[in-house]
Amino acid sequence: TQLLEQSPQFLSIQEGENLTVYCNSSSVFSSLQWYRQEPGEGPVLLVTVVTGGEVKKLKRLTFQFGDARKDSSLHITAAQPGDTGLYLCAGSVEGYSTLTFGKGTMLLVSP
Amino acid sequence: DAGVIQSPRHEVTEMGQEVTLRCKPISGHNSLFWYRQTMMRGLELLIYFNNNVPIDDSGMPEDRFSAKMPNASFSTLKIQPSEPRDSAVYFCASRSGQFEQYFGPGTRLTVT
Repeated sequence: TQLLEQSPQFLSIQEGENLTVYCNSSSVFSSLQWYRQEPGEGPVLLVTVVTGGEVKKLKRLTFQFGDARKDSSLHITAAQPGDTGLYLCAGSVEGYSTLTFGKGTMLLVSP
Repeated sequence: DAGVIQSPRHEVTEMGQEVTLRCKPISGHNSLFWYRQTMMRGLELLIYFNNNVPIDDSGMPEDRFSAKMPNASFSTLKIQPSEPRDSAVYFCASRSGQFEQYFGPGTRLTVT
């Protein structure tokens, strides 16, 4: 079983602050995805990373895949209330078509 | 595109009753996934279909759970008999390519 540990489990910050959340595993993943889930809705894909060391940016969000493809981080610059939600990482192992999800980081950004 | 459609959005039932959850994937997507989400266990894969054929059902908790995909545009997840510990949000997702899964809005199931 490939486990993904996300930290912190919960983060409450003020608008304008920066933050980083983490996704770690002892397993090597061929690809890793980050999703955001808002209350009452399903997860929505933010980004997919496939190469060790890869960095992708999506406006104020920066995603990094670890060199060994066992971990990833999501950094948000100048957080806004609209960033509030559950951030999930999900990994895919080589040869498998399914995803293993972490339990998520619940982010609350207050005005 | 309407996205993945799930019904009902909410279901409240008594222990022992049969529950059927429904999913219509995005047209053209050839993979369909059923997940269950709880606070304790997070998002867990229950079963995965490819081209309407069940490929991996190792996540199905027990024989009370069954899933079918009679055609490319419809799938069901059935729980019979239901138990209080089955209470969760059940998501259906579909995929056409290698990576991105598109999730439906989920069905919140409460078994009393």
